[in-house]
Amino acid sequence: AAGVIQSPRHLIKEKRETATLKCYPIPRHDTVYWYQQGPGQDPQFLISFYEKMQSDKGSIPDRFSAQQFSDYHSELNMSSLELGDSALYFCASSHTNRALDEQYFGPGTRLTVT
Amino acid sequence: QKEVEQNSGPLSVPEGAIASLNCTYSDRGSQSFFWYRQYSGKSPELIMFIYSNGDKEDGRFTAQLNKASQYVSLLIRDSQPSDSATYLCAVKSGDSSYKLIFGSGTRLLVRP
Repeated sequence: AAGVIQSPRHLIKEKRETATLKCYPIPRHDTVYWYQQGPGQDPQFLISFYEKMQSDKGSIPDRFSAQQFSDYHSELNMSSLELGDSALYFCASSHTNRALDEQYFGPGTRLTVT
Repeated sequence: QKEVEQNSGPLSVPEGAIASLNCTYSDRGSQSFFWYRQYSGKSPELIMFIYSNGDKEDGRFTAQLNKASQYVSLLIRDSQPSDSATYLCAVKSGDSSYKLIFGSGTRLLVRP
């Protein structure tokens, strides 16, 4: 079965640079969630989109922005990168935006800021 | 206090034994509950979800939910060394937000 696709899988950036992470949800899934997982921590919710509209916002820095496109893929844009942004970034998708819908995670993007 | 609490472990069990993982949550309005397995450096993999009080079985896995006690558990029967991983309990809140709130995870070690 098709899974969530994320690219790139690994990214190395320097401080103050920008980065763009991409997420392609499971076919026919219209809801995308972004999570950040620091070393030894649990995943923390950043932002979500349902039908191309932002549906919820979590602990996402103002330096980050995201959007969902007409084909339902999503991009997370990160600017003025800081060392503390080094983490695993996961995208998850669900069939729709309901409480009972399961979220399936992509393989993640490992971002290293030097 | 975290909204979702788990014992960090490690929980060590011999191969073939039953592993019991527990999770408590603070939001009484929570509607749905999920167990994810995460190997080091990999993404969370959904293994069980439960919405109603009681037990739900899927193969070697059984999820148990008690909303009155705000408690959810995962039982793994016939534990295998390949089950060694961190198990994350996740809860969707009762408001209109459908984000997952994770516990810190329990590390399970299955000894051959």
